[in-house]
Amino acid sequence: EIVMTQSPDTLSVSPGERATLSCRASESISSKLAWYQQKPGQAPRLLIYGASTRATGIPTRFSGSGSGTEFTLTISSLQSEDSAVYYCQHYNHWLWTFGQGTKVEIK
Amino acid sequence: EVRLVESGGGLVQPGRSLRLSCTASGITFNTQWMHWVRQPPGKGLVWVSRINGDASETRYADAVKGRFTISRDNAKSTVYLQMNSLTVDDTALYYCASPRFGGYFDYWGQGILVTVSS
Repeated sequence: EIVMTQSPDTLSVSPGERATLSCRASESISSKLAWYQQKPGQAPRLLIYGASTRATGIPTRFSGSGSGTEFTLTISSLQSEDSAVYYCQHYNHWLWTFGQGTKVEIK
Repeated sequence: EVRLVESGGGLVQPGRSLRLSCTASGITFNTQWMHWVRQPPGKGLVWVSRINGDASETRYADAVKGRFTISRDNAKSTVYLQMNSLTVDDTALYYCASPRFGGYFDYWGQGILVTVSS
């Protein structure tokens, strides 16, 4: 099983500032990584796939980068509505696994 | 518009069984891989199971293998999760999810709560 580890657990950022979230895979997953946003009481929403491709309708302030074992989700200018938990997920192997999540708070 | 609607959740005693259903609309169901993902209260997402379009291939997480069975009825655009020998560790919000092309999940249901408790 590929273990996905996210850091930090919680990130507090002021509106308009940049938020940088990290995700590390226990072995190489090429670019087969997705990011999701989950707000309280809602289902997850796909933000990024292929490590760096934004899903349909996702604002350009969200960007993804990385390959192999190290990945980053960047929110370039944090908005109040971006307060949520963010999960990474690999799909390099049929046994899909998610990271434990990073909670982004608005300072 | 794609919609995935789960049903069948509820409170069940340890050792008992429950069957979840997820009915899809807005997609060509018989070509879609369908998955179940669960989320224990206050915790993160955990992949549970998947089934391919013609039901010829299924996969399970180790935690549910031998206890859960995924199936589908393409005529009803519905995927099922039969859960047997339930334990308190199976308590979670269960999501039905589906990818458009790859192994990432474009479409999610609203989730259905399963509580295993005596």
